[in-house]
Amino acid sequence: SYELTQPPSVSVSPGQTARITCSADALPKQYVYWYQQKPGQAPVLVIYKDSERPSGIPERFSGSRSGTTFTLTISGVQAEDEADYYCQSADRSGTYVFGTGTKVTVL
Amino acid sequence: EVQLVESGGGLVQPGGSLRLSCVASGFTFSRYWMSWVRQAPGKGLEWVASIKQDGSEKYYVDSVKGRFTISRDNAKNSLYLQMNSLRAEDTAVYYCARDSSGWSWGQGTRVTVSS
Repeated sequence: SYELTQPPSVSVSPGQTARITCSADALPKQYVYWYQQKPGQAPVLVIYKDSERPSGIPERFSGSRSGTTFTLTISGVQAEDEADYYCQSADRSGTYVFGTGTKVTVL
Repeated sequence: EVQLVESGGGLVQPGGSLRLSCVASGFTFSRYWMSWVRQAPGKGLEWVASIKQDGSEKYYVDSVKGRFTISRDNAKNSLYLQMNSLRAEDTAVYYCARDSSGWSWGQGTRVTVSS
């Protein structure tokens, strides 16, 4: 199985841009998904299929892919965006892997 | 609205068993792959197991193979996780999730394995 590596933490001031990377040790054949998790709550999908945004997710959330690196970008960060963020992909048919997780701190 | 409600968690001794349940509503349960994901205290998310719509395919993370069994009852809109030979490292919040171009999650049920 392959691994998805994220930086442990990202700090950003309100109104600035936060970029969270997800590096795969092999090229995923499947899409990457991003989840936001606030303390004591279940994860919430914020990006699907690398760069699509679900309804109800603010436009400041976007996703991109370059080779084996995937990036979640939060433009104009707000205090409410402080949370843990996880990338996810499928390893092979029926199995999945999550990234190591990134804690976003809004200064 | 998709709703997933887990139950069955609790405190169990090492070597013991527990059966988790997840009741789904707000969507046609039988049309979706379903999964269990866990999160140990202070740690990240770990995929545990997934099951196909009709139950004909099941997949597990290596650390639970032979100990955990995922199953479903489409007539009852329910997903299950039978956990046997539990270890301390199985202590976690267990989430039920629906797979549909990204996952929808329940609120989780806590499992503590301790003597």
